[in-house]
Amino acid sequence: SQKIEQNSEALNIQEGKTATLTCNYTNYSPAYLQWYRQDPGRGPVFLLLIRENEKEKRKERLKVTFDTTLKQSLFHITASQPADSATYLCALDPLEIRNQFYFGTGTSLTVIP
Amino acid sequence: DAGVIQSPRHEVTEMGQEVTLRCKPISGHDYLFWYRQTMMRGLELLIYFNNNVPIDDSGMPEDRFSAKMPNASFSTLKIQPSEPRDSAVYFCASSGQGQGEKLFFGSGTQLSVL
Repeated sequence: SQKIEQNSEALNIQEGKTATLTCNYTNYSPAYLQWYRQDPGRGPVFLLLIRENEKEKRKERLKVTFDTTLKQSLFHITASQPADSATYLCALDPLEIRNQFYFGTGTSLTVIP
Repeated sequence: DAGVIQSPRHEVTEMGQEVTLRCKPISGHDYLFWYRQTMMRGLELLIYFNNNVPIDDSGMPEDRFSAKMPNASFSTLKIQPSEPRDSAVYFCASSGQGQGEKLFFGSGTQLSVL
């Protein structure tokens, strides 16, 4: 079965710095890889999607890279703010089994003022 | 649109009781997903529907779990009988055309089985 691994430890960074979160996957080849944000007591909220043939995607202060050789996606938040503090989840939709979104366990990010 | 609506928000029940969780997807979305989230295992896909038809239920943990989608605007996830290890947050999500489309999640149901 698919295994998605994210930074297991919580990430604490200083306000204004760039946060980098990692998502590694095994087994399947993703058609799409998505990143979500989850706040306590709420459902995940979609942030960005990157396709298998794309290397990089940007949206405002967010940037996602995708390396299918390394089987890894990196998620960057530049000029981080305390409001960015949340848990970030990656999810992939495998080519082999479409519409089955497999999620990682998430990385907790805290931005310190 | 009000988004994906789940009820109840919290459910506390005793072991052996039947539990029914409800979900109203976003109007026009033809995919509906049920997930379970725990600290240990993260978000696990239980079952998903396309146009009200169950497509893959391989994530349903046991026969005690069942899900239905009688129409495009309503789905239920039932646990009978419930056990303490079923305690988790259950999320419903819907999406547009499925392939690579982003998921819209409800606020979840926090289930505690005593």
